[in-house]
Amino acid sequence: DIQLTQSPSFLSASVGGRVTITCRASQSISTYLAWYQQKPGKAPKLLIYAASTLHSGVPSRFSGTGSGTEFSLTISSLQPEDFATYYCQELNSHPRRYTFGQGTKLEI
Amino acid sequence: EVDLTESGGGFVHPGGSLRLSCAASGFTFSSSSMTWVRQAPGKGLEWVATITGSNVIHYTDSVKGRFTISRDNSKNTLHLQMNSLRGEDTAVYFCARVQFYYDNIGFNGRAFDFWGQGTLVTVSS
Repeated sequence: DIQLTQSPSFLSASVGGRVTITCRASQSISTYLAWYQQKPGKAPKLLIYAASTLHSGVPSRFSGTGSGTEFSLTISSLQPEDFATYYCQELNSHPRRYTFGQGTKLEI
Repeated sequence: EVDLTESGGGFVHPGGSLRLSCAASGFTFSSSSMTWVRQAPGKGLEWVATITGSNVIHYTDSVKGRFTISRDNSKNTLHLQMNSLRGEDTAVYFCARVQFYYDNIGFNGRAFDFWGQGTLVTVSS
């Protein structure tokens, strides 16, 4: 099975700052990777699909890069509403596993 | 506007059963792939099961033989029948739509693009 490892698990940053979260896959998943944001007590929200394409309505300060086994999510000019937990997810496995990374909690 | 609303969660003893439902609106449910994802208290996200518009089904290994995903296209509703429940099944269960993406080359990937608010399942003696 494909494993996803996110780093760091916890991240502290300031409003207006810039952060990058990394997601590493145990084998190549091409660009079949998505990123989600989840706030406490809420459902996850899709941010990025196909490794780098912004979901409709997602602010342009979010960006994604990568292919194969190395991926990253960057948030530039952090806003107060960006402090949340972020998950990557692979969508390429056969048989289907749709594995999520363990999450990265972004705190002030 | 896409809307997904889960129901059916609650408290159940180990070995018991529950049936979750997810009412969908705002899109063509019958042709959409749908999925269940769960989140144990304080933990990360775990994919549970997916059903395509043509009723192809996939399960995570830990629920195979115990959980059954199904859909009622006449009612735009997704279900998850959960039997032989265990303590480790305790979680918030989310339903989500699986969206497929295409570019000028062809298939470009998939993602869970819209989610319900979740329903809590607690399995305890």
